[in-house]
Amino acid sequence: QLVLTQSPSASASLGASVKLTCTLSSGHSNYVIAWHQQQPEKGPRFLMRVNSDGSHIKGDGIPDRFSGSSSGAERYLTISSLQSEDEADYYCQTWDAGIVFGGGTKLTVL
Amino acid sequence: ELQLVESGGGLVQPGGSLRLSCAASGFTFSSHAMSWVRQAPGKGLEWVSAISGGGGSTYYADAVKGRFTISRDNSKNTLYLQMNSLRAEDTAVFYCARDIRTTGTSCFDHWGQGTLVTVSS
Repeated sequence: QLVLTQSPSASASLGASVKLTCTLSSGHSNYVIAWHQQQPEKGPRFLMRVNSDGSHIKGDGIPDRFSGSSSGAERYLTISSLQSEDEADYYCQTWDAGIVFGGGTKLTVL
Repeated sequence: ELQLVESGGGLVQPGGSLRLSCAASGFTFSSHAMSWVRQAPGKGLEWVSAISGGGGSTYYADAVKGRFTISRDNSKNTLYLQMNSLRAEDTAVFYCARDIRTTGTSCFDHWGQGTLVTVSS
């Protein structure tokens, strides 16, 4: 069964960097995933697609501070030079017969 | 500018029906599959249903199969979700999302702002 696993929470200081992880279930390590950001009281926003080789394609207007990478069954979202507006929920998404979301990671900027 | 604008949400009693709409603009609507995704209060994102660009293929999550029907009118650039036999657990904000592909389900690259559906007596 295709499942995406994310840590429920993460925190980092203003101006620092943070790396969020999305783990694909066994047998699905070659899947592409997408990262979406959801700021408080807003709809989600597409950030990027991350391939199994670590290459990524970002959405329109996504700052260079956001980048993606991969290692095995793990897909990463790295945010550098953290700003207050980066405090949000971050969801990974993949697809097979249907769409699967991870449980989301709530990022707190200290 | 690409826009997805949902409407049709509201308060409905258990067992009732509601039809959501998503008006699309700023892109060739028929070239993209579309999905509905919901988010219960305080919870994560849950995919509900998808439809191919031409409307000939539809897909549903098990939780809504047989109760919800997705459709689209490409002449009006509008996506719909007919929701019947609504339950309290269907209470959520419903988002429409654009898929990068024309057929099947894959990556979403644009989202609407959502419409709230509350199922309560």
